[in-house]
Amino acid sequence: QVQLQESGPGLVKPSETLSLTCTVSGGSISSYYWSWIRQPPGKGLEWIGYIYYSGSTNYNPSLKSRVTISVDTSKNQFSLKLSSVTAADTAVYYCARLLMVYAHSPGWFDPWGQGTLVTVSS
Amino acid sequence: EIVLTQSPGTLSLSPGERATLSCRASQSVSSSYLAWYQQKPGQAPRLLIYGASSRATGIPDRFSGSGSGTDFTLTISRLEPEDFAVYYCQQYGSSLTFGPGTKVDIK
Repeated sequence: QVQLQESGPGLVKPSETLSLTCTVSGGSISSYYWSWIRQPPGKGLEWIGYIYYSGSTNYNPSLKSRVTISVDTSKNQFSLKLSSVTAADTAVYYCARLLMVYAHSPGWFDPWGQGTLVTVSS
Repeated sequence: EIVLTQSPGTLSLSPGERATLSCRASQSVSSSYLAWYQQKPGQAPRLLIYGASSRATGIPDRFSGSGSGTDFTLTISRLEPEDFAVYYCQQYGSSLTFGPGTKVDIK
């Protein structure tokens, strides 16, 4: 079955750019939507954005100015960049497959990666 | 943006008891576009329910979802030891938002 694995630095300095990659195994990244979600320590879940394998994207309006999600189908990977980070961006970052209700209408997340903690600190 | 509110914040129950979790939306969620997830400490969320009442693959039938409009419910008919966790609802009728979660802990 499809499995996802996040990778990237666990520590990022304030004002710098957070960069993470999600590797998809057990299936092709093609024909699906893929998403990033984050969870600050001890808090709830926040959707960051999603990308179609073709490269089209949609971002959470609250983060849109700082987020870029890209895809590399040759490596079966997609990536997240979040610029100008602050301590408020400290969170566990999850990647997940986003299932669609119907064409281009986002639905639910399944499966999820195990998550990676990113701490923003100098 | 549709804001989801979950209640109670914490539900203290014993194994074998019935758990009823509520998720309320600030406006009607179109076509019952609501999902439920279970999250255990140190783990990623796991999909339980989508479309308000459809169980995901491999989810035991003691988990059931119901509701429409602004009021949705997740019911666990008889709590097993592995069901003590945090449960989140998520709507996808208008963008994508999550509720704050309900913790089900052992009484």
